[in-house]
Amino acid sequence: DTGVSQDPRHKITKRGQNVTFRCDPISEHNRLYWYRQTLGQGPEFLTYFQNEAQLEKSRLLSDRFSAERPKGSFSTLEIQRTEQGDSAMYLCASSPGVAYEQFFGPGTRLTVL
Amino acid sequence: GQNIDQPTEMTATEGAIVQINCTYQTSGFNGLFWYQQHAGEAPTFLSYNVLDGLEEKGRFSSFLSRSKGYSYLLLKELQMKDSASYLCAARLNTGGFKTIFGAGTRLFVKA
Repeated sequence: DTGVSQDPRHKITKRGQNVTFRCDPISEHNRLYWYRQTLGQGPEFLTYFQNEAQLEKSRLLSDRFSAERPKGSFSTLEIQRTEQGDSAMYLCASSPGVAYEQFFGPGTRLTVL
Repeated sequence: GQNIDQPTEMTATEGAIVQINCTYQTSGFNGLFWYQQHAGEAPTFLSYNVLDGLEEKGRFSSFLSRSKGYSYLLLKELQMKDSASYLCAARLNTGGFKTIFGAGTRLFVKA
């Protein structure tokens, strides 16, 4: 257990529905990252925050994806109008600064039927 | 573009030594991470190289050559529990120092 928690751990939804995931980073970490990982691939960068500011968002991310970190603590990732291609493991990670490794949460596995 | 290459799979014997290679082509390279990921679990940090050379940490060592865009992870005295995916990841100094990952190398350790 790295101290990063994610909720829910598993989510099954029907195509077209909206889903929201939550990540609680290690409390003193100011940087928070979201990744998506599919079977046999490495984590794919989605977006990241420094405190409450979203500093970068992947160009691969469509407008259906949005992330927030309203008070610089926990973060949410929302996917609107889910598609079967969104099925993946969604990983959250945090770090205390730029020059440090990232600590990953257990992930949320999304299945879109 | 940004590209990280590593072998898809490797097999080694318990007690042996294995070297997992990684080559990268990125703009704004800052440093190179290695993470271990067991099936169904989150990645865990192994090493981070910024400068050229070898860094040793117990049974695991990591090497970086910035001029060649090359790194390797060396695992000694292999144990069955080392069977996992090993992810090579480059930290970039563009924007806010994001990290991009390779697809991972699945290592199978056999008795």
